Amino acid sequence: AQSVTQLGSHVSVSEGALVLLRCNYSSSVPPYLFWYVQYPNQGLQLLLKYTTGATLVKGINGFEAEFKKSETSFHLTKPSAHMSDAAEYFCAVNPQGGFKTIFGAGTRLFVKA
Amino acid sequence: DVKVTQSSRYLVKRTGEKVFLECVQDMDHENMFWYRQDPGLGLRLIYFSYDVKMKEKGDIPEGYSVSREKKERFSLILESASTNQTSMYLCASSLMLLHSYEQYFGPGTRLTVT
Repeated sequence: AQSVTQLGSHVSVSEGALVLLRCNYSSSVPPYLFWYVQYPNQGLQLLLKYTTGATLVKGINGFEAEFKKSETSFHLTKPSAHMSDAAEYFCAVNPQGGFKTIFGAGTRLFVKA
Repeated sequence: DVKVTQSSRYLVKRTGEKVFLECVQDMDHENMFWYRQDPGLGLRLIYFSYDVKMKEKGDIPEGYSVSREKKERFSLILESASTNQTSMYLCASSLMLLHSYEQYFGPGTRLTVT
């Protein structure tokens, strides 16, 4: 069975500091991996995705994530946090060829001035 | 840009009422999904549809049904609303492409059942 674990339901960083949101997955087949962001009172929007090819993936708003097969991880990073990054972030996995996407429980990012 | 719209942002219903949540997408996507979102649980799939009149149960279908009579519209029905169905409901759609299963989400409907 596929699953997604996001370490830390809440992460707090200072403005300008590194953002690191952790995601580990399990999948019996090569997965597609996604990070979504949800701003208050909005739906989810795609930040970035890994399907095949280069394991370092760049997304919108300066975020990037690296697929590490040996560690079954897909951590999200941003070098310098901005106040506007405060939101909830969801990691998701879709086993290749499947309809269902499995979402993690989410990590709420707080950015302190 | 893909647009997914949901009929209501906020809804308050009484226990036992029949509730309809409507979702419309404007990009000719084959797949459509209904999720509920609860704190600490992430998104849980209720039902999905991969074509008109086709539907599949997700992980938590009990107490829900769906209808897809047209490609652009996917409705979620609560036959007899209960307080444990108070939640945020998110609709999403996606293309059926080999290497792209990214989903596009609507803004959500926050349903309160009293």
